[in-house]
Amino acid sequence: SAVISQKPSRDICQRGTSLTIQCQVDSQVTMMFWYRQQPGQSLTLIATANQGSEATYESGFVIDKFPISRPNLTFSTLTVSNMSPEDSSIYLCSVSKTSSTDTQYFGPGTRLTVL
Amino acid sequence: GENVEQHPSTLSVQEGDSAVIKCTYSDSASNYFPWYKQELGKRPQLIIDIRSNVGEKKDQRIAVTLNKTAKHFSLHITETQPEDSAVYFCAASITGNQFYFGTGTSLTVIP
Repeated sequence: SAVISQKPSRDICQRGTSLTIQCQVDSQVTMMFWYRQQPGQSLTLIATANQGSEATYESGFVIDKFPISRPNLTFSTLTVSNMSPEDSSIYLCSVSKTSSTDTQYFGPGTRLTVL
Repeated sequence: GENVEQHPSTLSVQEGDSAVIKCTYSDSASNYFPWYKQELGKRPQLIIDIRSNVGEKKDQRIAVTLNKTAKHFSLHITETQPEDSAVYFCAASITGNQFYFGTGTSLTVIP
């Protein structure tokens, strides 16, 4: 499995501001994903981060609100823009070694609170 | 798209008893079914997975069964221990595509 780190681990932000979350992997991976997990809820896929091209967003999530970068095969960022209290959640990245390898491994998550 | 249902939402068992969590899926093309364990404040951890070409897989006290015809799969934990207490999520996917997660089961093992 890959070693995955996320920064920051938690943050408290004011509404209207933006926060960028980083996801770093210790080895090259093909697939990187960003999830949101609201308190006591399941995991909801925000988008697939594509290296060298625009991210693929799921229904209900848009690039203007959640811009994503994937500059290489070991790193990705998710920005939560113009935050509101409804954005308070845990944001997790996950990775899969190859597109034909199903297993996904999760990062430790970023706990975001928006006041 | 795929729809994954998970039951029960909460489960309490006595230490040493077995626990069973069930999931159903809707897309017959799904061929990969992982189970994740998430302890409070921690990341989801893969505990076992099964592909559609097998009907059962075991790893020590944990087993997963898959019924492709009925489109359901189950997690079985035997000889439960307090450290098994966590939220468990099932998921279904088609190789190379996104995971669809169940709603989670909060398992409590009572010492």
